[in-house]
Amino acid sequence: DIQMTQSPSSLSASVGDRVTIACRADQNINRYLNWYQQKPGKAPKLLIYGASKLQSGVPSRFSGSGSRTDFTLTISSLQPEDFATYYCQQCYSAPNTFGQGTKLEIK
Amino acid sequence: QVQLQESGPGLLKPSQTLSLTCTVSGGSISSGGYYWSWIRQHPGKGPEWIGYIHYSGNTYYNPSLKSRLSISVDTSKNQFSLQLGSVTAADTAIYYCATVVSGYCSTGTCYGEYFDHWGQGTLVTVSS
Repeated sequence: DIQMTQSPSSLSASVGDRVTIACRADQNINRYLNWYQQKPGKAPKLLIYGASKLQSGVPSRFSGSGSRTDFTLTISSLQPEDFATYYCQQCYSAPNTFGQGTKLEIK
Repeated sequence: QVQLQESGPGLLKPSQTLSLTCTVSGGSISSGGYYWSWIRQHPGKGPEWIGYIHYSGNTYYNPSLKSRLSISVDTSKNQFSLQLGSVTAADTAIYYCATVVSGYCSTGTCYGEYFDHWGQGTLVTVSS
């Protein structure tokens, strides 16, 4: 199975900050990488697929980049509703696998 | 807008079979536009893909669970179901059903599968 590693595991930031979360695959996955946001007690929500394609309805302050093994999720200006846990998921080869998550907390 | 709702027992004893059903509303499970998936999440961990099914009955399972797993679909009820046998405490998790958009290519760019609609999840605890 392809292993996905996110960094940092947790992050404190303030409203208005620019935040970047990293995700690394242990082998080349091209751009077959998705990002999800999960709030406490809720199901994950798709934010980005194909490494950089914004899902319909997701605010444009979210963006994704990267290819092969290294990817980033950027939030350009944090809003109060963005404090959550973020997961990357590779869909290059079965079984698809998720990272361990990055918890974004209010500073 | 497709909506999904999981249902089933929340407490099992070791060695029993976990059975969950996902009821789909707002769309037909037979429309062919989606695969229908089960995903679980252990406390404090990232999600784990369990498997998915197409309305035609084709199934794809996570090899780590394949020997204990069965996913089925009932198009007449617009439902799909999960059965996981011989459960242990390690199967304690929140179980979600979700729609899967399968991989496709558009304007020269190819995308892999992704999970775009999720149920609210149901906690299953395995304990003696």
